[in-house]
Amino acid sequence: DAKTTQPNSMESNEEEPVHLPCNHSTISGTDYIHWYRQLPSQGPEYVIHGLTSNVNNRMASLAIAEDRKSSTLILHRATLRDAAVYYCILSAYGNKLVFGAGTILRVKS
Amino acid sequence: KAGVTQTPRYLIKTRGQQVTLSCSPISGHRSVSWYQQTPGQGLQFLFEYFSETQRNKGNFPGRFSGRQFSNSRSEMNVSTLELGDSALYLCASSSRGQGSYNSPLHFGNGTRLTVT
Repeated sequence: DAKTTQPNSMESNEEEPVHLPCNHSTISGTDYIHWYRQLPSQGPEYVIHGLTSNVNNRMASLAIAEDRKSSTLILHRATLRDAAVYYCILSAYGNKLVFGAGTILRVKS
Repeated sequence: KAGVTQTPRYLIKTRGQQVTLSCSPISGHRSVSWYQQTPGQGLQFLFEYFSETQRNKGNFPGRFSGRQFSNSRSEMNVSTLELGDSALYLCASSSRGQGSYNSPLHFGNGTRLTVT
């Protein structure tokens, strides 16, 4: 299973953008890049996913490097409710997602 | 649309007992997967069911088993419980395998199992 590397933790101020990086140098051509986040006492929540092109949805944007060996999740205006553990995952066919330790995002008011 | 429902939310069992956890997927989803989350190991894949068939399995001992019913509801069973089985057990459903193989997973809030 291809692995991802994320910083252990990051801190942001409320109302400011947050860029969460992820390295996946061993990504294969069929791997999608998925981001999930987990708030305390809840199951993981899907945030966004993409293959090659940058993606936007109501929650966030995903910027994928041209060589696909890294990606960045962008939260445009962090709120206190965005404080969570963010997981960057590579997923090919099937539902066996391999979760790493993720990035703990702290948001300061 | 109702989300993924897991019951019970909390469970306390004794070593050596067995336990059954239940998961109701989002309506229309035929794929259900199970994950174990512990502070030491993080989130680990247990198994996945699709249309009542196990499609994928993680690296867990045979004490961990599951099944899926014709209405897509799923159960997982852990026999001969050990202290190390104490964890949050998460169920996720998706529409993968129904034309969009990379659809996102929708997780429930889990069952917190404590083994004493």
